[in-house]
Amino acid sequence: GAVVSQHPSRVICKSGTSVKIECRSLDFQATTMFWYRQFPKQSLMLMATSNEGSKATYEQGVEKDKFLINHASLTLSTLTVTSAHPEDSSFYICSARDQGSAGELFFGEGSRLTVL
Amino acid sequence: GENVEQHPSTLSVQEGDSAVIKCTYSDSASNYFPWYKQELGKRPQLIIDIRSNVGEKKDQRIAVTLNKTAKHFSLHITETQPEDSAVYFCAASSPGNQFYFGTGTSLTVIP
Repeated sequence: GAVVSQHPSRVICKSGTSVKIECRSLDFQATTMFWYRQFPKQSLMLMATSNEGSKATYEQGVEKDKFLINHASLTLSTLTVTSAHPEDSSFYICSARDQGSAGELFFGEGSRLTVL
Repeated sequence: GENVEQHPSTLSVQEGDSAVIKCTYSDSASNYFPWYKQELGKRPQLIIDIRSNVGEKKDQRIAVTLNKTAKHFSLHITETQPEDSAVYFCAASSPGNQFYFGTGTSLTVIP
């Protein structure tokens, strides 16, 4: 199947700093990528849909200025958690839909963010 | 929008027994139904999927059934093994749209 790579896999930062997470589709072009947040033992909560060359579409309740998303190319989307606080600590996962594989959704490895 | 419900939330079976997880969806436009397996701290992995033009699909010990009329689909795992223990998510999607996920089922296979 298609490969989606996410980096970093783990990051620890101080409260008030910003953290950037990258999501790359390695062997296909993704005009759309999705960013999820997952709490322990819970389902995937869609945060936003990242669209190449345009603004991201955020889900209700997700702060646009808090979670900045940039989809500058067909293979890269970034999520920046700005002015991070301990409550932002979570597992963040990106995914991309491979239209060449009949629209299957492939996930990145996930990024474990811990804000001290 | 689409609403996907998944049951049960937890499931324990003896090794060798079968496990069944059920999902329902609300949007008749949904036509793609994947199942993902997620081990602790890892990414969800696609294990099987079904499209609305078929009623059943099987891959070795794993099968999925779809009832479009009733808007429900199920995952069946036969001859379960300890390595099947994980969290399983169902999802529903339509062309060009996002995926809507169920709440997950934590499966434990007891040796």
